[in-house]
Amino acid sequence: NAGVTQTPKFQVLKTGQSMTLQCAQDMNHEYMSWYRQDPGMGLRLIHYSVGAGITDQGEVPNGYNVSRSTTEDFPLRLLSAAPSQTSVYFCASSLTRDTEAFFGQGTRLTVV
Amino acid sequence: TQLLEQSPQFLSIQEGENLTVYCNSSSVFSSLQWYRQEPGEGPVLLVTVVTGGEVKKLKRLTFQFGDARKDSSLHITAAQPGDTGLYLCAGPAWMDSSYKLIFGSGTRLLVRP
Repeated sequence: NAGVTQTPKFQVLKTGQSMTLQCAQDMNHEYMSWYRQDPGMGLRLIHYSVGAGITDQGEVPNGYNVSRSTTEDFPLRLLSAAPSQTSVYFCASSLTRDTEAFFGQGTRLTVV
Repeated sequence: TQLLEQSPQFLSIQEGENLTVYCNSSSVFSSLQWYRQEPGEGPVLLVTVVTGGEVKKLKRLTFQFGDARKDSSLHITAAQPGDTGLYLCAGPAWMDSSYKLIFGSGTRLLVRP
């Protein structure tokens, strides 16, 4: 019962470094998304994908890239980390954008 | 400005009390979802409401979708410490020429024993 698996759980980056947050799901879901969660802000959508090869921007896409080469995987890339990207990141998947979203356990990222 | 506004932002109550939290929007939603999130975990779906005026019950939790499908509420009867968590509403919204699942800012509930 893996569901949605995110790695790593914790990460500290220096300003300007790049990294990739990994997300994999084993439920054959077409819709996958990345959110960031900051205090008092709920979850804000960064990027999402409606299927392999198709991605689109969410509410706060700047500074992040995504790709979807397979149904299972949806990595999130930080190109040049900034302190403003310090946050908790969640990956989610669902059958469609209207149905139940299943979340990973999150990645706590600190940029110093 | 968030498309889904939740209130209150924070609620601290005694065990056994009742409470209601709200999720409001100026836009019409085809459906709304409610999630609960515990510390260190991702959100978990509680319920989806689809029809205007719909009421759904999940043990001591009662969810209502407004008649105009612009708002929803969550009422908890006789709250228990296990109800403590962050409650989030979410819905599919048309933004920037595409359809996306967005979340409200959340209500953080603390139930004191």
